[in-house]
Amino acid sequence: GENVGLHLPTLSVQEGDNSIINCAYSNSASDYFIWYKQESGKGPQFIIDIRSNMDKRQGQRVTVLLNKTVKHLSLQIAATQPGDSAVYFCAESNTDKLIFGTGTRLQVFP
Amino acid sequence: DAMVIQNPRYQVTQFGKPVTLSCSQTLNHNVMYWYQQKSSQAPKLLFHYYDKDFNNEADTPDNFQSRRPNTSFCFLDIRSPGLGDAAMYLCATSTGGVNQPQHFGDGTRLSIL
Repeated sequence: GENVGLHLPTLSVQEGDNSIINCAYSNSASDYFIWYKQESGKGPQFIIDIRSNMDKRQGQRVTVLLNKTVKHLSLQIAATQPGDSAVYFCAESNTDKLIFGTGTRLQVFP
Repeated sequence: DAMVIQNPRYQVTQFGKPVTLSCSQTLNHNVMYWYQQKSSQAPKLLFHYYDKDFNNEADTPDNFQSRRPNTSFCFLDIRSPGLGDAAMYLCATSTGGVNQPQHFGDGTRLSIL
């Protein structure tokens, strides 16, 4: 059935602290993983991706960690800013389609 | 610099009245996707085009159709919208092939009266 009224997991952090958003993926055959940021009223925005031959990849203020053994993906945001407030989705793939996780809402307070 | 453009941003239609949502891209990508996203949920893939090849998801209702007249444009047609079809509709593109990021537009929010 439809998940009416589903509540997103929420992570609340203080401005300037580091944030860690976690994601468990389901398909052990997935070999490509991606993080999106979605602000209210906007489409998902690409943040960073990683392929299964890596376990860590860094971008500007963001780091993605991949643990294939336990099928776990995390997104670390350094020095979190108010502009980082959004819903974050992980997605996995081994085809031309993405399978999205349920999302985490990040709230940044002063 | 908008690369995936969805029009309109907001669409209101009446119950049962056909509606068309549009998407255009300036990326010259081979693949265009349509997703439905309801509040506090992840995007749900409806279908996608790889060039002119249409790929429907098994659980996409027959009420939803799509057209891709050329590389740049793709349309989502909802033949007889029901109240349950109220949602954000997202268009995305990718270069094609496996393990490529998808680039999303800002969506069309559809309301049903």
